[in-house]
Amino acid sequence: DGGITQSPKYLFRKEGQNVTLSCEQNLNHDAMYWYRQDPGQGLRLIYYSQIVNDFQKGDIAEGYSVSREKKESFPLTVTSAQKNPTAFYLCASSMGRGLTGELFFGEGSRLTVL
Amino acid sequence: SQKIEQNSEALNIQEGKTATLTCNYTNYSPAYLQWYRQDPGRGPVFLLLIRENEKEKRKERLKVTFDTTLKQSLFHITASQPADSATYLCALAENSGNTPLVFGKGTRLSVIA
Repeated sequence: DGGITQSPKYLFRKEGQNVTLSCEQNLNHDAMYWYRQDPGQGLRLIYYSQIVNDFQKGDIAEGYSVSREKKESFPLTVTSAQKNPTAFYLCASSMGRGLTGELFFGEGSRLTVL
Repeated sequence: SQKIEQNSEALNIQEGKTATLTCNYTNYSPAYLQWYRQDPGRGPVFLLLIRENEKEKRKERLKVTFDTTLKQSLFHITASQPADSATYLCALAENSGNTPLVFGKGTRLSVIA
């Protein structure tokens, strides 16, 4: 079955540590996205990528980094510079390089900073 | 400033009634609007898309309208069921096509048996 796989589903981190969230898709989609979701805040865009080896900052990129070395993979690193990293993180993809198509989401990764 | 607002954070309705959710936007020129359903702890799932030149779109018990004059989309669920309880998100795509979707904060719908 085609889809998007995020891992881990739950992650605990101590303050000052970097963590990397994995996102893999086998839909052959060009565009991939990372969103953060906090209670009452809706979905906020962190980074997006329309093509391999290229990515753009979203609305809340500070304290995060990404890479897009392969079409199917778009990992997100939450660095120690992110002041409030506890949140639900969602990865998504869409067909084509345009940014306005239907989004396919993964099941999310919940990060808790202890 | 640009805003997309779903003006009810939560909505409770009786089973069998029609649920109506609202999405309003300011200072956008959307090419189309999308609606998603999100269950607790899960990723959103796409439901419907409506283009700026379409007034209404239907899919089974779901209906979406789009009024560019009022700058508003309405999302209806007819004959609602407890299984329809979820958070519903609207998202708009700008005419330029060069920017990602912008999401509203969502409306949490509870259908009471």
